[in-house]
Amino acid sequence: KAGVTQTPRYLIKTRGQQVTLSCSPISGHRSVSWYQQTPGQGLQFLFEYFSETQRNKGNFPGRFSGRQFSNSRSEMNVSTLELGDSALYLCASSPTTSYISGNTIYFGEGSWLTVV
Amino acid sequence: AQSVSQHNHHVILSEAASLELGCNYSYGGTVNLFWYVQYPGQHLQLLLKYFSGDPLVKGIKGFEAEFIKSKFSFNLRKPSVQWSDTAEYFCAVRAGNMLTFGGGTRLMVKP
Repeated sequence: KAGVTQTPRYLIKTRGQQVTLSCSPISGHRSVSWYQQTPGQGLQFLFEYFSETQRNKGNFPGRFSGRQFSNSRSEMNVSTLELGDSALYLCASSPTTSYISGNTIYFGEGSWLTVV
Repeated sequence: AQSVSQHNHHVILSEAASLELGCNYSYGGTVNLFWYVQYPGQHLQLLLKYFSGDPLVKGIKGFEAEFIKSKFSFNLRKPSVQWSDTAEYFCAVRAGNMLTFGGGTRLMVKP
């Protein structure tokens, strides 16, 4: 069974630009979560989508947004990029919402974003 | 708000040494507990998980963890580490409607 797939793997953007990252969950998984990983802050939760609806949201500004499609694939968008947005963005999928007891989330390899 | 603490940020061990990484959380109710590992240049992989039952859980690659409810802890152990265990280790706790990760522990194993 294929794992969580994220594209692109690496990208460089300029301050003020916007970026869209894509995530395809494990087949059959309906929940997709997004995390930002940085050396100083560790893993921080961005948001989670299940059945095309945002179910949970972390403490990030409105510049960070996402959506989920009917096939469970998800995209996240960051507008008006800032230098501090440079990070590894991780997507994780699970069969159902991540906060349901007994559920396990599986991570993709991530998208490395560098903002210059 | 719940929190997950991994007090050891960096650990350096020699091969064959024993390993114990601490994980403490702040939540009084029912929890699910996880340890993930991130090898250099690779994605986060699940090492082991605890949902219920026997508080001593065994994972892949010889790792195990013990859930001690009274201490709000879920420490990761391995009797004898190898150079290939060099990685960053993350503890995660699901409580309520949140899955929260600790700050991670970087383990370096010297050959």
